[in-house]
Amino acid sequence: NAGVTQTPKFQVLKTGQSMTLQCAQDMNHNSMYWYRQDPGMGLRLIYYSASEGTTDKGEVPNGYNVSRLNKREFSLRLESAAPSQTSVYFCASSEDRKLNTGELFFGEGSRLTVL
Amino acid sequence: QQQVKQSPQSLIVQKGGISIINCAYENTAFDYFPWYQQFPGKGPALLIAIRPDVSEKKEGRFTISFNKSAKQFSLHIMDSQPGDSATYFCAASPHTGFQKLVFGTGTRLLVSP
Repeated sequence: NAGVTQTPKFQVLKTGQSMTLQCAQDMNHNSMYWYRQDPGMGLRLIYYSASEGTTDKGEVPNGYNVSRLNKREFSLRLESAAPSQTSVYFCASSEDRKLNTGELFFGEGSRLTVL
Repeated sequence: QQQVKQSPQSLIVQKGGISIINCAYENTAFDYFPWYQQFPGKGPALLIAIRPDVSEKKEGRFTISFNKSAKQFSLHIMDSQPGDSATYFCAASPHTGFQKLVFGTGTRLLVSP
């Protein structure tokens, strides 16, 4: 049982390059999320998807796009990477809040460095 | 602005001691308060959570204390062990869903042997 799987785990980009972070979950969860984690800032929500076919902006969406490809997969794209996007990115998933204990399941993270 | 304020930023505790991490919030719409534990190189994982209808919740050596009137909640780790060394995040969300989950800035705990 893999849970939430993110790829790649590490990536180095040059300013202006583009890339896509991939995320897949095998728990049949409706909701999926992308967070970024920076020192002293905690985890901040970039985008989320409450169900297949829907996406919404979180706290820090600028410079990012997302795609909810199907119920399992939720990708995060950086169209033109900037050094300010150097961070550790986490994908997470959850069941509908009313149905469960309120737990987010996180992947192991993707560490991105933009030079 | 930081909706959930967490302190301290880092904490060193001797083995067997009590670790205490505090969080405060302003939004009275918050009604779910989880704590997440994160080991180096891993994603956060839910440790324990509380809803405001109770003042305390205990799971093993981990206890959440909740003070609704003061809008504060804290995590106590009793008999702290080196294996508890990790970063701890408090969080809060309103009943409208986890898309509104707000995290604190994290506390790096080191339990010395």
